[in-house]
Amino acid sequence: DIQMTQSPSTLSASVGDRVTITCRASQSISSWLAWYQQKPGKAPKLLIYKASSVESGVPSRFSGSGSGTEFTLTISSLQPDDFATYYCQQYNSYWTFGQGTKVEIK
Amino acid sequence: EVQLVESGGGLVQPGGSLRLSCAASGFTFSSYEMNWVRQAPGKGLEWVSYISSSGNTVYYADSVKGRFTISRDNTKNSLYLQMNSLRAEDTALYYCARVASGKYYSEWGQGTLVTVSS
Repeated sequence: DIQMTQSPSTLSASVGDRVTITCRASQSISSWLAWYQQKPGKAPKLLIYKASSVESGVPSRFSGSGSGTEFTLTISSLQPDDFATYYCQQYNSYWTFGQGTKVEIK
Repeated sequence: EVQLVESGGGLVQPGGSLRLSCAASGFTFSSYEMNWVRQAPGKGLEWVSYISSSGNTVYYADSVKGRFTISRDNTKNSLYLQMNSLRAEDTALYYCARVASGKYYSEWGQGTLVTVSS
């Protein structure tokens, strides 16, 4: 089974900050990685697929990069609506999620 | 507009059974693969099961294999999850998710809560 490890688990940041979340796979998954945003009481929402492709309608401040085993999600300038939990997901072999990164207000 | 609406959750005793449903609308259901994903209270996301567009291919997470059965009825635009031999650790919010051609999840329902407790 492919394991996904996100870091950090919690991130405290201010509006306007540049934020980076890292996701590591236990084996190579090529670029078969997605990022989701989840707000309390809501279903996850797709942000990024194939490691760096931004889903339609997602603000351009969100970007993804990486391949193989190491990936990053970057928010270029954190906005109030971005405080949420973020999950990476591999879909190279079945589906596995990272444990999540909560972005909270500093 | 794509809509996925789950139902069928509730309180069930350990060892009991429950059948979840997911009603799809706003897209050609029979053309899409579907998954069930769950989230225990305060925890992360866990893939549960997959079904192909025709229903001929299914996969399960090890944690539910032999106890859960995924199925679909393309004539009714509906996805199902039959859950047997339920355990306390199955307590979670269960989401249905539409699989995009690239195998990631393009759409999610709002979830239905399953609580396994005596």
